[in-house]
Amino acid sequence: DTAVSQTPKYLVTQMGNDKSIKCEQNLGHDTMYWYKQDSKKFLKIMFSYNNKELIINETVPNRFSPKSPDKAHLNLHINSLELGDSAVYFCASSQDDRANYGYTFGSGTRLTVV
Amino acid sequence: DQQVKQNSPSLSVQEGRISILNCDYTNSMFDYFLWYKKYPAEGPTFLISISSIKDKNEDGRFTVFLNKSAKHLSLHIVPSQPGDSAVYFCAASAPNDMRFGAGTRLTVKP
Repeated sequence: DTAVSQTPKYLVTQMGNDKSIKCEQNLGHDTMYWYKQDSKKFLKIMFSYNNKELIINETVPNRFSPKSPDKAHLNLHINSLELGDSAVYFCASSQDDRANYGYTFGSGTRLTVV
Repeated sequence: DQQVKQNSPSLSVQEGRISILNCDYTNSMFDYFLWYKKYPAEGPTFLISISSIKDKNEDGRFTVFLNKSAKHLSLHIVPSQPGDSAVYFCAASAPNDMRFGAGTRLTVKP
């Protein structure tokens, strides 16, 4: 029974398309996140979200938008995909926004833009 | 803006020996530090953490040491086992923010 699940696991799409990656957690956590693992393997925060606020990393293009229909879901929408968006995207959740007990990560979505 | 650095991309040790993974950070606002372990095609898994008010935390074969004055932490694994072979990410936490290093690939040889 997966704690944080992301779909799809692999996504290949053409430049200019709009796509979504879904994330669900069944841990009852209050905060969810999206991370991008870049070509140098750094995990960079994109968004953190709980029922109180959305915090956006200001370096993230506004083509990226998180959508949270409820506390257990945080989907990532990407408009007008570009080649540079190719990366592995990880969803994560934590008990609180301090994350001192660690995040629980999904298994990642490998996005390839061609 | 690499606030968390893992300067060794890879480390190879013999089974039974100690593995020492190092991490440096630059932002003194970080007050919690964590290590994650990642296998291929999986998400990172939380391993161990330490508060900035401590200098050592131990959990079984894993011990994390924190040197605040040097802004340095390390993860010791002893004895190392082949199943420990993975990529290890160091992370530093502040409110609503967690920064990760680039990871160190540990290979434990039988």
